[in-house]
Amino acid sequence: EAQVTQNPRYLITVTGKKLTVTCSQNMNHEYMSWYRQDPGLGLRQIYYSMNVEVTDKGDVPEGYKVSRKEKRNFPLILESPSPNQTSLYFCASSFTSTGGFYEQYFGPGTRLTVT
Amino acid sequence: QKEVEQDPGPLSVPEGAIVSLNCTYSNSAFQYFMWYRQYSRKGPELLMYTYSSGNKEDGRFTAQVDKSSKYISLFIRDSQPSDSATYLCAMSAATGRRALTFGSGTRLQVQP
Repeated sequence: EAQVTQNPRYLITVTGKKLTVTCSQNMNHEYMSWYRQDPGLGLRQIYYSMNVEVTDKGDVPEGYKVSRKEKRNFPLILESPSPNQTSLYFCASSFTSTGGFYEQYFGPGTRLTVT
Repeated sequence: QKEVEQDPGPLSVPEGAIVSLNCTYSNSAFQYFMWYRQYSRKGPELLMYTYSSGNKEDGRFTAQVDKSSKYISLFIRDSQPSDSATYLCAMSAATGRRALTFGSGTRLQVQP
């Protein structure tokens, strides 16, 4: 089954304790991205990757890191989480077309609580 | 001011009703206009998209884009309880980093 998977689905942690949220896709997509969803704000892009070893900042990158060493994986790293990073996180992936529309497929989400 | 504004609802309608969902936006660079559906505890799923202005129909769903007014709509005919979900409008430019700019979502409840 074609899908984007995220782990863990739920995480409660304390301020300052480093954590990693994994994202993996089995559709051979070049493009991957992380979003966070907060009430009243919709989804906002954190980081994105156009292909392996190519990453760049989105709209809200502060406090986050990413890496793209393999095509299928795009982990999100919080080196020192703070309570304002409590949110619902989504990973998404798509093909990189030369033109035209591309559908982004979303994972099931990771609900993170930082106390 | 947010780039995309969407009424959060909630919107409650009886089964069979016609539902109208709307978004306004401010960025003239947006060329692709999408509607995503998000069920509780799930990720967003693309419902339909439109390129530039115009209408697009898919079964019971019709998407409309009016770029001159910076206004997009999604109509759901003969609404069903299974349509109960949060509907997110999303937009993007045709080039660049492919980021989707989302509205905050409208929660829809279709009563049987």
